[in-house]
Amino acid sequence: ETGVTQTPRHLVMGMTNKKSLKCEQHLGHNAMYWYKQSAKKPLELMFVYSLEERVENNSVPSRFSPECPNSSHLFLHLHTLQPEDSALYLCASSLRQTSNEKLFFGSGTQLSVL
Amino acid sequence: AQTVTQSQPEMSVQEAETVTLSCTYDTSENNYYLFWYKQPPSRQMILVIRQEAYKQQNATENRFSVNFQKAAKSFSLKISDSQLGDTAMYFCAFYPAGANSKLTFGKGITLSVRP
Repeated sequence: ETGVTQTPRHLVMGMTNKKSLKCEQHLGHNAMYWYKQSAKKPLELMFVYSLEERVENNSVPSRFSPECPNSSHLFLHLHTLQPEDSALYLCASSLRQTSNEKLFFGSGTQLSVL
Repeated sequence: AQTVTQSQPEMSVQEAETVTLSCTYDTSENNYYLFWYKQPPSRQMILVIRQEAYKQQNATENRFSVNFQKAAKSFSLKISDSQLGDTAMYFCAFYPAGANSKLTFGKGITLSVRP
């Protein structure tokens, strides 16, 4: 257990649904991240929040909408997704958003879009 | 842009033996950090070992050690005395020093430890 909790663990949704992924950390970290992990592809960084401010949006389609209400919580709101969006979505946190900081990951949400 | 290449999709090793996982990277940066992360079936990525590029000494963490060859841009992970719990996907990652950098991962390698 790394101290980063993600819910739900599994999610199946239709292309017209709206759902949200939740990430929570109580490690006192100031930076939080969303990554997408697809089969046989490198992890793709989606969003970075530092001190609750979005500092990175890695050309992610607008059907993915992040929200960081405080330094302990991070959400990823999903709407009108496509089947190719099916993947494992990993949340991570670090003390600061600097290059030598260790990332602490959650167990991910396995998303299937039908 | 940086790239990280893990050319071996999967490997297998006998319990108690030693295995080496390969990783190469491409960058024009001189100062950066390299990581190996482990992702067991529980899916939770865990940092295994970290190497600073400015350090010539190879990093070591118990049974895990790296062979860092900066000129060759190579960063392999050696696992000694392999254990069943080492079965997992292993990801090599690169992080340039400086503000607003981002971590670049390789595709990963699946390691199976046989009893």
